[in-house]
Amino acid sequence: AQKITQTQPGMFVQEKEAVTLDCTYDTSDPSYGLFWYKQPSSGEMIFLIYQGSYDQQNATEGRYSLNFQKARKSANLVISASQLGDSAMYFCAMKRTVLGGATNKLIFGTGTLLAVQP
Amino acid sequence: EADIYQTPRYLVIGTGKKITLECSQTMGHDKMYWYQQDPGMELHLIHYSYGVNSTEKGDLSSESTVSRIRTEHFPLTLESARPSHTSQYLCASSDLGAGDRGELFFGEGSRLTVL
Repeated sequence: AQKITQTQPGMFVQEKEAVTLDCTYDTSDPSYGLFWYKQPSSGEMIFLIYQGSYDQQNATEGRYSLNFQKARKSANLVISASQLGDSAMYFCAMKRTVLGGATNKLIFGTGTLLAVQP
Repeated sequence: EADIYQTPRYLVIGTGKKITLECSQTMGHDKMYWYQQDPGMELHLIHYSYGVNSTEKGDLSSESTVSRIRTEHFPLTLESARPSHTSQYLCASSDLGAGDRGELFFGEGSRLTVL
């Protein structure tokens, strides 16, 4: 069975500092994808970054980077130069890559609440 | 910016009422999903659809039902709301084409409170 584990219920970071949010996963599929989403207090889910299991390089999107360690089954999100607007819930998620264009169901972790302090 | 819309954003309703949560997307995505999320908790998939006239139950059992008569529309219905249905319901869509990441695009959610 697939599983996503986020062990940090909450994190604090000072504005302008970097922060790492942990995510470990469990799957027996050889091909899979990992996502990070941000959920502000308003409730919507905002896509941040994606890492495919066969991608050779760690994904980066602006201030977001993904520290992908396949052997350890970890996909930690690094946010550089934190801003007050980064305060939100962050979810790690995994999808199975299925041939033939089947559904793209995601399973989510329990999330980490990040608070950026001025 | 994602073009997926949910209404209502907030709904407070009494026990026993029938409710429909609307979800529409203008991206032409074949695949649509409903997730349920309790406050501060993870999202659980309750329904999904491959395309028109295709619906399936998700990983979390739900008393709600869905329909997919048009590509852009994926409403969720509760025939008789109960307090245990109080939650946030998030609609999403995706298009898993060759080379696509297949990320889900989410609506803003519908927060349901059943008294």
